[in-house]
Amino acid sequence: AQKITQTQPGMFVQEKEAVTLDCTYDTSDPSYGLFWYKQPSSGEMIFLIYQGSYDQQNATEGRYSLNFQKARKSANLVISASQLGDSAMYFCAMREGNFGNEKLTFGTGTRLTIIP
Amino acid sequence: DAGVTQSPTHLIKTRGQQVTLRCSPKSGHDTVSWYQQALGQGPQFIFQYYEEEERQRGNFPDRFSGHQFPNYSSELNVNALLLGDSALYLCASSFIGRNQPQHFGDGTRLSIL
Repeated sequence: AQKITQTQPGMFVQEKEAVTLDCTYDTSDPSYGLFWYKQPSSGEMIFLIYQGSYDQQNATEGRYSLNFQKARKSANLVISASQLGDSAMYFCAMREGNFGNEKLTFGTGTRLTIIP
Repeated sequence: DAGVTQSPTHLIKTRGQQVTLRCSPKSGHDTVSWYQQALGQGPQFIFQYYEEEERQRGNFPDRFSGHQFPNYSSELNVNALLLGDSALYLCASSFIGRNQPQHFGDGTRLSIL
């Protein structure tokens, strides 16, 4: 079974609109972390935002927020006021394990294209 | 403050050869992980090193091996290269701690002919 599922292979969004990228996960570990990374065409993976399984509030980082619904096992990324520079691949990832003994499992990604 | 650096940037090898990729972690980081990213896919976890030991391993054969040095830098070795090993190899580092994100290098693009 897929541990991280991203069901949107591609999305087209008008500039300045908000966009939600979907991510669902599956784990039996009560302690885990969820990450979103951005990968532009140049290839580098850029860390955007993190949510811990025990965090009570949804994480926010500037224009990025994470809509964490633990019971539904979803961790959607919301980008407000999208910009042309937001065009990239976006990956959701889940951390399992702990202190020096952990691994990240990535989804298949969503290619976001911002239209001027 | 230098981020994660990887070398070389690109590499071309032939089937059956061996390759070594190198990674220097971000300053202050003590944990290094390696990932393989095939074209159009998400990164796949290969292994993680902490305190010079392999701590976690993904579903990769023994042809993939690694090492971490006392200065926290790391190497990924792949023996008996196959065409399917062609991919972007990403190194990520982090500081040990539950809420610490992994920071990635720009990767090494390996092509097997």
